[in-house]
Amino acid sequence: DSGVTQTPKHLITATGQRVTLRCSPRSGDLSVYWYQQSLDQGLQFLIQYYNGEERAKGNILERFSAQQFPDLHSELNLSSLELGDSALYFCASSLRTSDYTFGSGTRLTVV
Amino acid sequence: AQSVAQPEDQVNVAEGNPLTVKCTYSVSGNPYLFWYVQYPNRGLQFLLKYITGDNLVKGSYGFEAEFNKSQTSFHLKKPSALVSDSALYFCAVRAYSGNTPLVFGKGTRLSVIA
Repeated sequence: DSGVTQTPKHLITATGQRVTLRCSPRSGDLSVYWYQQSLDQGLQFLIQYYNGEERAKGNILERFSAQQFPDLHSELNLSSLELGDSALYFCASSLRTSDYTFGSGTRLTVV
Repeated sequence: AQSVAQPEDQVNVAEGNPLTVKCTYSVSGNPYLFWYVQYPNRGLQFLLKYITGDNLVKGSYGFEAEFNKSQTSFHLKKPSALVSDSALYFCAVRAYSGNTPLVFGKGTRLSVIA
């Protein structure tokens, strides 16, 4: 157990639907990062939050949004889902910029 | 912009032989460099990192990596491969300063054959 908890582990949903992925960071970590891993794109950085505020944005689609709550957990919202959104979504947390811990991921399948 | 190149999609090595997984990077200023491993249906597991200091970094499971600033490389090595080392390996970089995210290479699949 890495200390970063992601739920659910698996999610199957239909095109056009909306889902929410949840991440609880390791105790004491203030930053949360979201990554998307697809077969053809590798690991793509989506977005970073630090202590509740958005810090950096990567290749995140407008249909996707995220937030970090006062208890530091984070949620990634994916809407108007398309087949191409099927991927493994990872959350990572850190306290320092040299120390990242990844969760086990949420596998999203859009059918 | 930061980037990482892992030039080999697949590396095959016989058990007991040394292995090398290549990584080159591009970043402004000094880098933080990382190697992660992903086993099937698992998350990313940290192997080792270079922050500063000794160019040879030793990590988990007998892996090591050498930071070469002139060649902008950070190749992962192990003296004697095990079948259990078969997995997907990712190299990642971020700039030492500034608020930049960790950027990953596309990964190299290592297959160790008994």
